[in-house]
Amino acid sequence: DTGVSQDPRHKITKRGQNVTFRCDPISEHNRLYWYRQTLGQGPEFLTYFQNEAQLEKSRLLSDRFSAERPKGSFSTLEIQRTEQGDSAMYLCASSRIFGDGYTFGSGTRLTVV
Amino acid sequence: QKEVEQDPGPLSVPEGAIVSLNCTYSNSAFQYFMWYRQYSRKGPELLMYTYSSGNKEDGRFTAQVDKSSKYISLFIRDSQPSDSATYLCAMNDRGSTLGRLYFGRGTQLTVWP
Repeated sequence: DTGVSQDPRHKITKRGQNVTFRCDPISEHNRLYWYRQTLGQGPEFLTYFQNEAQLEKSRLLSDRFSAERPKGSFSTLEIQRTEQGDSAMYLCASSRIFGDGYTFGSGTRLTVV
Repeated sequence: QKEVEQDPGPLSVPEGAIVSLNCTYSNSAFQYFMWYRQYSRKGPELLMYTYSSGNKEDGRFTAQVDKSSKYISLFIRDSQPSDSATYLCAMNDRGSTLGRLYFGRGTQLTVWP
Protein backbone atom coordinates (compact mmCIF):
# COMPACT_ATOMS: atom_id res chain seq x y z
CA ASP A 1 0.00 0.00 0.00
CA THR A 2 1.86 3.04 -1.28
CA GLY A 3 -0.97 5.49 -0.62
CA VAL A 4 -2.65 7.83 -3.08
CA SER A 5 -0.23 9.38 -5.53
CA GLN A 6 -0.84 12.64 -7.39
CA ASP A 7 1.19 14.12 -10.19
CA PRO A 8 2.41 16.78 -10.61
CA ARG A 9 2.76 18.26 -7.13
CA HIS A 10 2.83 21.79 -8.49
CA LYS A 11 1.72 23.29 -11.78
CA ILE A 12 2.03 26.87 -12.93
CA THR A 13 0.18 27.70 -16.13
CA LYS A 14 -0.83 30.73 -18.09
CA ARG A 15 -4.45 31.72 -18.27
CA GLY A 16 -6.16 30.04 -21.19
CA GLN A 17 -3.94 26.97 -21.24
CA ASN A 18 -5.18 23.42 -20.62
CA VAL A 19 -3.82 21.35 -17.75
CA THR A 20 -4.16 17.70 -16.80
CA PHE A 21 -3.58 16.10 -13.42
CA ARG A 22 -3.16 12.42 -12.63
CA CYS A 23 -4.17 10.43 -9.59
CA ASP A 24 -3.17 6.87 -8.75
CA PRO A 25 -5.38 5.48 -5.97
CA ILE A 26 -4.68 2.70 -3.51
CA SER A 27 -4.90 -0.41 -5.66
CA GLU A 28 -7.69 -2.20 -3.80
CA HIS A 29 -9.92 0.90 -3.57
CA ASN A 30 -12.90 0.93 -5.94
CA ARG A 31 -13.79 4.56 -5.45
CA LEU A 32 -11.84 7.62 -6.47
CA TYR A 33 -12.73 11.21 -5.62
CA TRP A 34 -11.64 14.66 -6.74
CA TYR A 35 -11.89 17.72 -4.50
CA ARG A 36 -10.71 21.29 -4.82
CA GLN A 37 -9.40 23.28 -1.86
CA THR A 38 -8.64 26.99 -1.75
CA LEU A 39 -6.69 28.76 0.97
CA GLY A 40 -8.58 28.87 4.25
CA GLN A 41 -11.40 26.66 3.00
CA GLY A 42 -12.28 23.02 3.35
CA PRO A 43 -12.19 20.64 0.37
CA GLU A 44 -15.07 21.10 -2.08
CA PHE A 45 -16.40 18.05 -3.88
CA LEU A 46 -15.94 17.87 -7.63
CA THR A 47 -16.69 14.32 -8.71
CA TYR A 48 -16.24 10.66 -7.89
CA PHE A 49 -15.93 7.32 -9.63
CA GLN A 50 -16.74 3.79 -8.71
CA ASN A 51 -14.42 1.70 -10.85
CA GLU A 52 -14.69 3.37 -14.28
CA ALA A 53 -18.19 4.79 -13.79
CA GLN A 54 -18.53 8.46 -12.85
CA LEU A 55 -21.27 8.36 -10.20
CA GLU A 56 -21.66 12.00 -9.23
CA LYS A 57 -20.51 15.43 -10.42
CA SER A 58 -20.78 18.70 -8.57
CA ARG A 59 -22.25 21.83 -10.14
CA LEU A 60 -18.76 23.24 -9.50
CA LEU A 61 -17.54 21.00 -12.29
CA SER A 62 -18.20 23.31 -15.22
CA ASP A 63 -17.90 22.22 -18.82
CA ARG A 64 -14.24 23.28 -18.72
CA PHE A 65 -13.54 20.45 -16.28
CA SER A 66 -13.53 16.79 -17.25
CA ALA A 67 -12.49 13.74 -15.30
CA GLU A 68 -11.91 10.20 -16.47
CA ARG A 69 -11.02 6.87 -14.99
CA PRO A 70 -10.81 4.75 -18.13
CA LYS A 71 -9.79 1.38 -16.73
CA GLY A 72 -10.97 1.80 -13.18
CA SER A 73 -7.45 2.40 -11.93
CA PHE A 74 -5.80 5.82 -12.27
CA SER A 75 -7.81 8.96 -13.01
CA THR A 76 -7.13 12.22 -14.81
CA LEU A 77 -8.68 15.63 -14.23
CA GLU A 78 -8.41 18.08 -17.11
CA ILE A 79 -9.13 21.79 -16.94
CA GLN A 80 -9.51 23.54 -20.28
CA ARG A 81 -9.00 27.27 -20.84
CA THR A 82 -7.78 27.84 -17.29
CA GLU A 83 -8.86 30.96 -15.42
CA GLN A 84 -7.25 32.64 -12.43
CA GLY A 85 -10.13 31.42 -10.28
CA ASP A 86 -9.02 27.85 -10.97
CA SER A 87 -5.92 28.40 -8.81
CA ALA A 88 -6.31 25.94 -5.94
CA MET A 89 -5.13 22.66 -4.51
CA TYR A 90 -6.70 19.73 -6.33
CA LEU A 91 -7.01 16.74 -4.03
CA CYS A 92 -7.60 13.15 -5.02
CA ALA A 93 -8.80 10.52 -2.57
CA SER A 94 -9.75 6.87 -2.74
CA SER A 95 -11.77 4.47 -0.64
CA ARG A 96 -13.46 1.10 -0.63
CA ILE A 97 -17.19 1.12 -1.36
CA PHE A 98 -17.85 0.55 2.33
CA GLY A 99 -15.20 2.16 4.41
CA ASP A 100 -14.22 4.28 7.34
CA GLY A 101 -13.15 7.27 5.32
CA TYR A 102 -11.04 8.43 2.44
CA THR A 103 -7.31 8.28 1.98
CA PHE A 104 -6.17 11.53 0.41
CA GLY A 105 -3.16 12.22 -1.73
CA SER A 106 -0.92 15.22 -1.12
CA GLY A 107 -2.62 17.18 -3.86
CA THR A 108 -1.64 19.12 -6.97
CA ARG A 109 -1.25 22.84 -6.41
CA LEU A 110 -2.32 24.79 -9.49
CA THR A 111 -1.37 28.41 -10.01
CA VAL A 112 -2.86 30.22 -13.00
CA VAL A 113 -0.97 33.41 -13.92
CA GLN B 1 -25.72 29.28 4.61
CA LYS B 2 -23.18 26.52 4.13
CA GLU B 3 -24.23 23.02 5.10
CA VAL B 4 -21.31 22.65 7.51
CA GLU B 5 -20.08 25.55 9.61
CA GLN B 6 -16.73 25.53 11.39
CA ASP B 7 -14.95 28.38 13.15
CA PRO B 8 -11.63 28.86 11.31
CA GLY B 9 -9.81 30.12 14.40
CA PRO B 10 -6.89 30.44 14.65
CA LEU B 11 -6.70 28.70 17.99
CA SER B 12 -3.47 28.90 20.00
CA VAL B 13 -2.96 26.87 23.18
CA PRO B 14 -0.04 25.86 25.42
CA GLU B 15 1.27 22.31 25.40
CA GLY B 16 -0.78 20.07 27.66
CA ALA B 17 -4.02 22.00 27.24
CA ILE B 18 -7.37 20.42 26.36
CA VAL B 19 -8.52 21.56 22.93
CA SER B 20 -12.15 21.70 21.84
CA LEU B 21 -13.00 21.93 18.14
CA ASN B 22 -16.57 22.18 16.90
CA CYS B 23 -18.81 22.08 13.85
CA THR B 24 -22.48 22.66 13.29
CA TYR B 25 -24.52 21.41 10.36
CA SER B 26 -27.92 22.08 8.87
CA ASN B 27 -28.79 18.84 7.03
CA SER B 28 -30.62 16.46 9.34
CA ALA B 29 -29.89 13.61 6.90
CA PHE B 30 -26.20 13.66 7.83
CA GLN B 31 -25.44 10.44 9.63
CA TYR B 32 -21.71 9.80 9.38
CA PHE B 33 -19.20 12.18 10.90
CA MET B 34 -15.46 12.36 10.52
CA TRP B 35 -12.54 14.46 11.65
CA TYR B 36 -9.51 14.96 9.45
CA ARG B 37 -6.17 16.56 10.29
CA GLN B 38 -4.31 18.49 7.62
CA TYR B 39 -0.73 19.64 7.90
CA SER B 40 0.43 22.53 5.75
CA ARG B 41 0.67 21.63 2.06
CA LYS B 42 -0.44 18.04 2.70
CA GLY B 43 -3.65 16.16 2.06
CA PRO B 44 -6.09 15.59 4.93
CA GLU B 45 -5.67 12.42 7.01
CA LEU B 46 -8.53 10.69 8.79
CA LEU B 47 -8.44 10.95 12.58
CA MET B 48 -11.79 9.59 13.70
CA TYR B 49 -15.23 8.66 12.45
CA THR B 50 -18.53 8.00 14.15
CA TYR B 51 -22.08 7.21 13.19
CA SER B 52 -24.25 7.91 16.12
CA SER B 53 -24.85 10.45 18.82
CA GLY B 54 -22.55 10.04 21.79
CA ASN B 55 -18.83 9.86 22.39
CA LYS B 56 -16.04 7.89 20.76
CA GLU B 57 -12.56 7.86 22.23
CA ASP B 58 -9.23 7.02 20.59
CA GLY B 59 -6.15 7.74 22.65
CA ARG B 60 -5.97 11.48 23.32
CA PHE B 61 -8.87 12.19 20.94
CA THR B 62 -12.60 12.11 21.72
CA ALA B 63 -15.27 12.71 19.09
CA GLN B 64 -18.71 13.74 20.24
CA VAL B 65 -21.91 13.95 18.20
CA ASP B 66 -25.19 15.54 19.22
CA LYS B 67 -27.64 14.94 16.38
CA SER B 68 -30.49 16.69 18.16
CA SER B 69 -28.46 19.91 18.15
CA LYS B 70 -26.68 19.19 14.84
CA TYR B 71 -23.38 19.74 16.61
CA ILE B 72 -20.16 17.74 16.63
CA SER B 73 -16.98 18.19 18.62
CA LEU B 74 -13.43 16.90 18.75
CA PHE B 75 -11.52 17.07 22.01
CA ILE B 76 -7.76 16.71 22.19
CA ARG B 77 -6.30 15.97 25.62
CA ASP B 78 -2.72 16.68 26.62
CA SER B 79 -2.14 18.59 23.39
CA GLN B 80 1.33 18.43 21.84
CA PRO B 81 3.17 20.77 19.46
CA SER B 82 2.87 17.98 16.86
CA ASP B 83 -0.92 18.46 17.00
CA SER B 84 -0.46 21.86 15.34
CA ALA B 85 -2.44 21.55 12.11
CA THR B 86 -5.78 22.38 10.55
CA TYR B 87 -8.66 20.20 11.73
CA LEU B 88 -11.50 19.56 9.30
CA CYS B 89 -14.87 18.10 10.13
CA ALA B 90 -16.64 16.15 7.40
CA MET B 91 -19.95 14.39 7.10
CA ASN B 92 -22.30 12.67 4.69
CA ASP B 93 -25.83 11.38 4.33
CA ARG B 94 -24.87 7.90 3.07
CA GLY B 95 -23.18 6.33 6.03
CA SER B 96 -20.35 3.91 5.40
CA THR B 97 -20.93 3.93 1.64
CA LEU B 98 -19.17 7.28 1.85
CA GLY B 99 -19.67 8.97 -1.53
CA ARG B 100 -19.56 12.72 -1.39
CA LEU B 101 -18.37 14.30 1.86
CA TYR B 102 -19.27 17.80 3.06
CA PHE B 103 -16.37 19.51 4.80
CA GLY B 104 -16.15 22.42 7.18
CA ARG B 105 -13.62 25.11 6.37
CA GLY B 106 -11.22 23.86 9.02
CA THR B 107 -9.89 25.22 12.32
CA GLN B 108 -6.21 26.14 12.45
CA LEU B 109 -4.64 24.98 15.73
CA THR B 110 -1.24 25.91 17.11
CA VAL B 111 0.11 24.21 20.24
CA TRP B 112 3.10 26.06 21.62
CA PRO B 113 5.73 24.45 23.88
